[in-house]
Amino acid sequence: QAQLVQSGAAVREPGASVKISCKASGYSFTSQYVHWVRQAPGQGLYWMGFVNPFTGGPKYARKYQDRLSITRDTSTSTVYVELSSLRSEDTAVYFCARRYCSRSPCVPGGDAFDIWGQGTMVTVS
Amino acid sequence: QSVLTQPPSMSGAPGQRVTISCTGSSSNIGAGFDVHWYQHLPETAPKLLVHGNNNRPSGVPDRFSGSKSGTSASLAIAGLQAEDEADYYCQSYDSSLSGYVFGTGTKVTVL
Repeated sequence: QAQLVQSGAAVREPGASVKISCKASGYSFTSQYVHWVRQAPGQGLYWMGFVNPFTGGPKYARKYQDRLSITRDTSTSTVYVELSSLRSEDTAVYFCARRYCSRSPCVPGGDAFDIWGQGTMVTVS
Repeated sequence: QSVLTQPPSMSGAPGQRVTISCTGSSSNIGAGFDVHWYQHLPETAPKLLVHGNNNRPSGVPDRFSGSKSGTSASLAIAGLQAEDEADYYCQSYDSSLSGYVFGTGTKVTVL
């Protein structure tokens, strides 16, 4: 069945960068966007951005526009998120999630997230 | 600060019905963007409960139902069970922010 498997936990110092991977399997990798969502300790879910695996084109939340990069490697069906200039507030669990189109055809702004990675804890300290 | 507001917590006895609200504005729910709901248990990945305002993915019990009206949406849990104790989030799209947004989250406790 479809699944997303993320890389393991990471610890970084303030000012450094972190790159997390999300490997897809069990479905056509280029057919659905892959989003990234994070949850800081004691806080709610926050959408960060997505990549279109077919074109490689990303879209970022304005909050992260200047220090976030989401890329993909179609040869390994893997999506990457890289966050730079890390600060303590970036300590969080990061999830990748596959787009689910509630309507057919998919409509802009209509994405739900049906398959999620297991989460990757990033500690900035 | 999320643009979708939910009550921080709700509780109910087993068998009771709980309804979680998700209040937005004219740039998200009121603009016609679909609302989706997730259940999030500690140390796990969120689970899609309702998509497109009122549709359940296969495998989700029909005790869970969603609705949307105007600038708000709601998730109802009928016949509350112990395993329903979790955090619940609504999610939509905001045209002013040009991005997807989650609600503030609601912790449901089964008494």
